[in-house]
Amino acid sequence: GESVGLHLPTLSVQEGDNSIINCAYSNSASDYFIWYKQESGKGPQFIIDIRSNMDKRQGQRVTVLLNKTVKHLSLQIAATQPGDSAVYFCAENIPNTGNQFYFGTGTSLTVIP
Amino acid sequence: EPEVTQTPSHQVTQMGQEVILRCVPISNHLYFYWYRQILGQKVEFLVSFYNNEISEKSEIFDDQFSVERPDGSNFTLKIRSTKLEDSAMYFCASSGQGATEAFFGQGTRLTVV
Repeated sequence: GESVGLHLPTLSVQEGDNSIINCAYSNSASDYFIWYKQESGKGPQFIIDIRSNMDKRQGQRVTVLLNKTVKHLSLQIAATQPGDSAVYFCAENIPNTGNQFYFGTGTSLTVIP
Repeated sequence: EPEVTQTPSHQVTQMGQEVILRCVPISNHLYFYWYRQILGQKVEFLVSFYNNEISEKSEIFDDQFSVERPDGSNFTLKIRSTKLEDSAMYFCASSGQGATEAFFGQGTRLTVV
């Protein structure tokens, strides 16, 4: 199967600091990427997406960076808040695979008040 | 805001029994998915469904699994003869035309005893 992995399984940050969560993907044909947030007992929730024709996309307090050369994706959360504590997954979409998304292992983010 | 709904939220079943997990995708979506997540692990793709047929399935989705869209609104996952290792959270998701974000339901926790 395809491999979408995260460099760090856990991350702890102080409230107010910026968080950076990294993800490596293996398929150079992947053309669409999503970051999902999953709180305990809930389904994955869309945060931000990026297509392969872009290298940066910004949302509210979040920025996704895509480096296709090294097949790397990152999620930056500005001014991290306690409500940001969750597991974050990157997911990649590979063309012609029934539109399925392959998920990475996940990084658990803990925000320390 | 439209959402994917899943029922039941928790299902307990005896090993060997059949279970049906139910989902109502977002109404104008065209792609439907089932994913599962074993406790503490990543979200794993099971199957995608488009135009009334399976478009892609993973190795996990063996002969004991089946999906159906019995009417214009429901999307079901049937596990014919449950095993202990089928215990997991099962997430339904749907997405629109093309590579767009998948919206996830809150999941059904399946416990096989």
